[in-house]
Amino acid sequence: TQLLEQSPQFLSIQEGENLTVYCNSSSVFSSLQWYRQEPGEGPVLLVTVVTGGEVKKLKRLTFQFGDARKDSSLHITAAQPGDTGLYLCALGSYNTDKLIFGTGTRLQVFP
Amino acid sequence: NAGVTQTPKFRVLKTGQSMTLLCAQDMNHEYMYWYRQDPGMGLRLIHYSVGEGTTAKGEVPDGYNVSRLKKQNFLLGLESAAPSQTSVYFCASSYKTGLMNTEAFFGQGTRLTVV
Repeated sequence: TQLLEQSPQFLSIQEGENLTVYCNSSSVFSSLQWYRQEPGEGPVLLVTVVTGGEVKKLKRLTFQFGDARKDSSLHITAAQPGDTGLYLCALGSYNTDKLIFGTGTRLQVFP
Repeated sequence: NAGVTQTPKFRVLKTGQSMTLLCAQDMNHEYMYWYRQDPGMGLRLIHYSVGEGTTAKGEVPDGYNVSRLKKQNFLLGLESAAPSQTSVYFCASSYKTGLMNTEAFFGQGTRLTVV
């Protein structure tokens, strides 16, 4: 059973549009990471958030950690074809050394 | 700096055969993980290790065994391969500071097909 649910599962948009993807858990977690995976490659870290309510920006990407530390969102402004990929959230828990990944959102940005 | 290296990159097995996947990291990381990724799904944790000589079960451990005899290597074994184990396998390593997981570095993956 996946502890982390991501939505939407798939997203196809045109270049220049904005989008938001979500990561939700029934458990509180100590930290949350967002990764992007391109075809044929392993995931690569985008950001780590650790404080409830925290907002981090990485160029056109904005990451938010929920106040209750059970959810997170990733917002992309003016999406570009280079943003295409599988976006994965991963949680670190207070009580375990496991690194658990969400179900993923597959994003396709068309020129 | 090689980072995380997985061997082999591709393998086809017959049902019932055994094999070992090797993961090697040169970053002196304490933590190492094995995941499988199936079409349309995220990564599911098979087994992990928090240091040399230690291993623990993840979300989907059945049918797999692991060993961490050296800090830099984490081996994943399939004793009797089944078609349900057809997947892409990823190894990752990281270190941990307090309660926070730091960046996990991934290998390129091993594409395994069991026929």
